[in-house]
Amino acid sequence: QKEVEQDPGPLSVPEGAIVSLNCTYSNSAFQYFMWYRQYSRKGPELLMYTYSSGNKEDGRFTAQVDKSSKYISLFIRDSQPSDSATYLCAMTRNNAGNMLTFGGGTRLMVKP
Amino acid sequence: NAGVTQTPKFRILKIGQSMTLQCTQDMNHNYMYWYRQDPGMGLKLIYYSVGAGITDKGEVPNGYNVSRSTTEDFPLRLELAAPSQTSVYFCASRQDLAGGSNEQFFGPGTRLTVL
Repeated sequence: QKEVEQDPGPLSVPEGAIVSLNCTYSNSAFQYFMWYRQYSRKGPELLMYTYSSGNKEDGRFTAQVDKSSKYISLFIRDSQPSDSATYLCAMTRNNAGNMLTFGGGTRLMVKP
Repeated sequence: NAGVTQTPKFRILKIGQSMTLQCTQDMNHNYMYWYRQDPGMGLKLIYYSVGAGITDKGEVPNGYNVSRSTTEDFPLRLELAAPSQTSVYFCASRQDLAGGSNEQFFGPGTRLTVL
């Protein structure tokens, strides 16, 4: 069993839809949670960074962490074709961040 | 700032050949990382460095070597290429900020095929 599970998709939605992306994990020691966006043939870029349980909002993006269920989510409101990318969740035990554990990524396609 | 740059962009190797993947960052970051990304598998850490002269193994170090003689450069060496090393390799860097985020800045990647 992988330490971090993520549905690979692809997830196809119409423009303007609300998108929900999720990861589950098995290691209760993870405390810091990240979402990276990766466009085709590019390196990942950090979208959201959260510590412990709770919600964090940044523009159209909301990250949610439920440590009791070992479940994290990324919501995208008013999705745009430019949001089409692969979304990777990542997590780590401490803020040193030297050992990030990544999910396999979910490919999202937003159709105009 | 160019950020994190990687060369080459693409490379095809024969089994048993060796090569060095180059990584340079111009952000004066202490930490640098090498990852490999296989389809559907996310990124796995190969090696990392917390500063010039200091390196350590990640999750999948076998078959690779690194060195860090300067803050800017962190080359990854493959000594005896094997088909299992066919992957996309990403270099990343971050600054060591107390209380800061874990944001790692990634390069554009090197696509390596071993035949």
